[in-house]
Amino acid sequence: KQEVTQIPAALSVPEGENLVLNCSFTDSAIYNLQWFRQDPGKGLTSLLLIQSSQREQTSGRLNASLDKSSGRSTLYIAASQPGDSATYLCAVYHGSGNTGKLIFGQGTTLQVKP
Amino acid sequence: DTEVTQTPKHLVMGMTNKKSLKCEQHMGHRAMYWYKQKAKKPPELMFVYSYEKLSINESVPSRFSPECPNSSLLNLHLHALQPEDSALYLCASSQQGAYGYTFGSGTRLTVV
Repeated sequence: KQEVTQIPAALSVPEGENLVLNCSFTDSAIYNLQWFRQDPGKGLTSLLLIQSSQREQTSGRLNASLDKSSGRSTLYIAASQPGDSATYLCAVYHGSGNTGKLIFGQGTTLQVKP
Repeated sequence: DTEVTQTPKHLVMGMTNKKSLKCEQHMGHRAMYWYKQKAKKPPELMFVYSYEKLSINESVPSRFSPECPNSSLLNLHLHALQPEDSALYLCASSQQGAYGYTFGSGTRLTVV
């Protein structure tokens, strides 16, 4: 059974710091891994999607890496800002076509202090 | 159009009411999903529709009834809900899971 773990559960940093959020999964047979951001009471916003054949993806100040063999992904946020405060969820797509499932970690709640 | 639109944004209903949640996408995605999310928890899968047919039902109680009238629309019909069903209900779509999911902004449901 695929399990996804995110560490840490919560993180508080001063503005301007570079930070790393961690995600691990138990079964390396994944199709892709997706990082989402969720603001309180809101829906999920997709940040980055990494296919199983890829090692990393970048968007602006965000960089996500994937090491499928070791079952790990990291989300790197450069020069953090108060507007980055949110919960970050990683999810792996386990299965194929449209019959698989998106399995979520518990999330990391980030607070960036001015 | 790269959005998934959910209506209403907020819903308060009594335990004897019947209501429906609506989800719409115009990205040509052929898979659509309902998720339930409780506070401080990750989303939990409820239903998957693939090519307008129900392909996954995660043992959801029958008081939740999904419907996919066409490839762009997904409804969730609610009847005789319990207070513990209060949650954020999220709709998502994907071309295929391998190409990533797009989520809507959710419906905040309160059962009184």
